[in-house]
Amino acid sequence: EIVLRQSPASLSLSPGERATLSCRASQSVASYLAWYQQKPGQAPRLLIYDASNRATGIPARFSGSGSGTEFTLTISSLEPEDSAVYYCQQRRNWPRLTFGGGTKVEIK
Amino acid sequence: QVLLLESGGGVVQPGKSLSLSCAASGFTFSTYGMHWVRQTPGKGLDWVAVISSDGNNKYYADSVKGRFTISRDNSKNTVHLQMNSLRAEDSAIYYCAKDKRSNGWFGSMDVWGQGTSVTVSS
Repeated sequence: EIVLRQSPASLSLSPGERATLSCRASQSVASYLAWYQQKPGQAPRLLIYDASNRATGIPARFSGSGSGTEFTLTISSLEPEDSAVYYCQQRRNWPRLTFGGGTKVEIK
Repeated sequence: QVLLLESGGGVVQPGKSLSLSCAASGFTFSTYGMHWVRQTPGKGLDWVAVISSDGNNKYYADSVKGRFTISRDNSKNTVHLQMNSLRAEDSAIYYCAKDKRSNGWFGSMDVWGQGTSVTVSS
């Protein structure tokens, strides 16, 4: 099983600041990594797929980068509505799909 | 509008069975693989099972293999999850989710339902 570890567990930033979230894989997942956003009481929403491709309708302030075992989700300028938990997910080891433990982003 | 609506959750005793359903609308259901993903309250996400667009291929997480069965009815745009021999650790919110790619597998999910809650308790 490929284990995904996300860091930090949580971060608190002000509107307009830049958020940098990390996802580290226990073995290479090439570029087969996605990011999801989950707000309280809601289902997850696909943000980024294959490391750096924004899903339909996702604002440009969200960007993804990385390959192999190290990945980053960047929110360039935080908006109040970006308060959520963010998860990474790998599909390299199909069909044994796994998710990271999440990073909680709080907007001050 | 693309929608997934789960139903069938509830409280069930350990060792008993429960069947979940997910009704899809707004897209060509018969061309997409469908997943079930669960989330323990306050915890992260766990992939449970996936079924191919034609229903012929099914895969399961090790934790549910042999106990859960995924199926679909393309004539009714529904996907199901039959859960047998339930355990306390199966308690979670269960989401159905659409695979991103049509007529094949992608392995990420671009549409999710709102979830249905399953509690396994005596």
